[in-house]
Amino acid sequence: QKEVEQDPGPLSVPEGAIVSLNCTYSNSAFQYFMWYRQYSRKGPELLMYTYSSGNKEDGRFTAQVDKSSKYISLFIRDSQPSDSATYLCAMREYSSASKIIFGSGTRLSIRP
Amino acid sequence: KAGVTQTPRYLIKTRGQQVTLSCSPISGHRSVSWYQQTPGQGLQFLFEYFSETQRNKGNFPGRFSGRQFSNSRSEMNVSTLELGDSALYLCASSLVGDEQYFGPGTRLTVT
Repeated sequence: QKEVEQDPGPLSVPEGAIVSLNCTYSNSAFQYFMWYRQYSRKGPELLMYTYSSGNKEDGRFTAQVDKSSKYISLFIRDSQPSDSATYLCAMREYSSASKIIFGSGTRLSIRP
Repeated sequence: KAGVTQTPRYLIKTRGQQVTLSCSPISGHRSVSWYQQTPGQGLQFLFEYFSETQRNKGNFPGRFSGRQFSNSRSEMNVSTLELGDSALYLCASSLVGDEQYFGPGTRLTVT
């Protein structure tokens, strides 16, 4: 079993829809959670960085962490065609010296 | 502030050759991590350097090696290239190993 599981998609939704992207994990020691966006043929771009359970909002993006269920989500409101990309979740344990573990990524397509 | 830069951006090599990739982190960042990304395996961690010392290592053969210089710039080397080494090699920098910022990657093709 992988430490981090992420549905690979592809996920296709109409413009303006709310998108929900999810990851589950098995390591209860994970404390920091990240979401990256990667456009085709580019490096991943850090979108959200959170610590602890709860919600964190940044513009149209909301990151949600539920440590009791070992489940994290990224919500995108009012989705735009420019949001079409692969979204990767990532997480690590408390120590900054620990490795960051990435999910396999979900490919998202927003239809105009 | 300038982002992470990687050189070269594209590279074509032949099986059996070796290759060196370079990464310049964001100014002030002391941690540099390397990843291999392929369509089938996703993003796989190679190694991390912090203050010139390898701090973490992934599950790659010894043909993959790296180093970090005193100015935090890092290089990775792959010897005896195999066809399966064709991939996008990404470098990421962070202050101390927390939030990582990725470069554009080097696309390596082995023929």
